[in-house]
Amino acid sequence: EVQLVESGGGLVRPGRSLRLSCAASGFNFDGYAMHWVRQAPGKGLEWVSGISWNSGSIDYADSVKGRFTISRDNAKNSLYLQMNSLRDEDTALYYCAKASTWDLLRLFDNWGQGTLVTVSS
Amino acid sequence: DIQMTQSPSTLSASVGDRVILTCRASQSITSWLAWYQQKPGKAPKLLIYKASTLEIGVPSRFSGSGSGTEFTLTISSLQPDDFATYYCQQYNTYSQAFGQGTRVEIK
Repeated sequence: EVQLVESGGGLVRPGRSLRLSCAASGFNFDGYAMHWVRQAPGKGLEWVSGISWNSGSIDYADSVKGRFTISRDNAKNSLYLQMNSLRDEDTALYYCAKASTWDLLRLFDNWGQGTLVTVSS
Repeated sequence: DIQMTQSPSTLSASVGDRVILTCRASQSITSWLAWYQQKPGKAPKLLIYKASTLEIGVPSRFSGSGSGTEFTLTISSLQPDDFATYYCQQYNTYSQAFGQGTRVEIK
């Protein structure tokens, strides 16, 4: 059974940093691309960033480009999101999502339960 | 960028009803269309991909159709477990976009 467990969320002041982690199990982690998708309170889904199986391809939403960095450690079956220069509008539930393929095709077939990031002074 | 528009925003229906949700793309996406179900406090769940392919384990009362710019998700007989918000998503390697969602509520 695929399991994705996010951690690292919390309350942070604007301009500060936070690092999210996603621990994966139940599948061949290094065979699939991984993504972060977020959902602001009461709002819809917004794709944030994706990384291919070998970290060779990475992409970001325009709203986070230059501030967020996605990475993965296949030896640890883990995905990360380094979030710098956080803004109020980054407040959301951040989901780790498994892609259906090894490349950046953005079809998400498994999701974690999310970790909440609140940016507020 | 391709925009996805779902209608209606909210749909009130009863158990046993046939329900049809619509999703429109601002330009052709051929069949690169997925549907997700999200229940309150839960993560989204993939229901359908490539416009009409049912994900493993999804009940057969769910079906998807369409191509190009017009797509539908049909629930043939609404069950209590189906009251949720449904999102369409266009996807390919270089872009994606979610619709704003359709909430299916109890009438």
